[in-house]
Amino acid sequence: DTGVSQDPRHKITKRGQNVTFRCDPISEHNRLYWYRQTLGQGPEFLTYFQNEAQLEKSRLLSDRFSAERPKGSFSTLEIQRTEQGDSAMYLCASSLGYRGEVETQYFGPGTRLLVL
Amino acid sequence: KQEVTQIPAALSVPEGENLVLNCSFTDSAIYNLQWFRQDPGKGLTSLLLIQSSQREQTSGRLNASLDKSSGRSTLYIAASQPGDSATYLCAGYMEYGNKLVFGAGTILRVKS
Repeated sequence: DTGVSQDPRHKITKRGQNVTFRCDPISEHNRLYWYRQTLGQGPEFLTYFQNEAQLEKSRLLSDRFSAERPKGSFSTLEIQRTEQGDSAMYLCASSLGYRGEVETQYFGPGTRLLVL
Repeated sequence: KQEVTQIPAALSVPEGENLVLNCSFTDSAIYNLQWFRQDPGKGLTSLLLIQSSQREQTSGRLNASLDKSSGRSTLYIAASQPGDSATYLCAGYMEYGNKLVFGAGTILRVKS
């Protein structure tokens, strides 16, 4: 078990460009979460998958953001037409959860995005 | 909207001191609570998870308690070490198995 991995670890882009991040959860974890963290703040929830189904999206996830989890394994988060306000750390977490049970979320190292 | 406050925002202590970090929720209807550690520029490391039926959890020098009636949690660190220096975040589960709501964190520095 190698833990949650994210790629890339750092991304610098120019305003208006599209970027895509990848998250590989712990194998056999059925739940996957995306969070965003800005400097000096705690992470904020963006979206959540149970297997391949996207079950919840935050109001923070504007139309420029899209997330997928094909086949219920890895997930991608795409930001279109990036803005300077998108600069943040994007964190992915996974867990093994069943209805009615509480599970620990395990976080990846994050992808730090800087939009110039 | 659930808001989470962590006090103090920053703390500097000499090595060996025992210390307490505080976390409070505006909505006391949280199901479970999790404490994390975050090193600069890194992801989150889970420290302790307190489930809804529990009042506290212990791991080594760490002890976390949860008072659901008041929506407050504390993280107690015994005999602090320089390696404990990091940002400590508390987070509450608002619904079963879904999102975590985080506080802004307490930045801890333990001086040798």
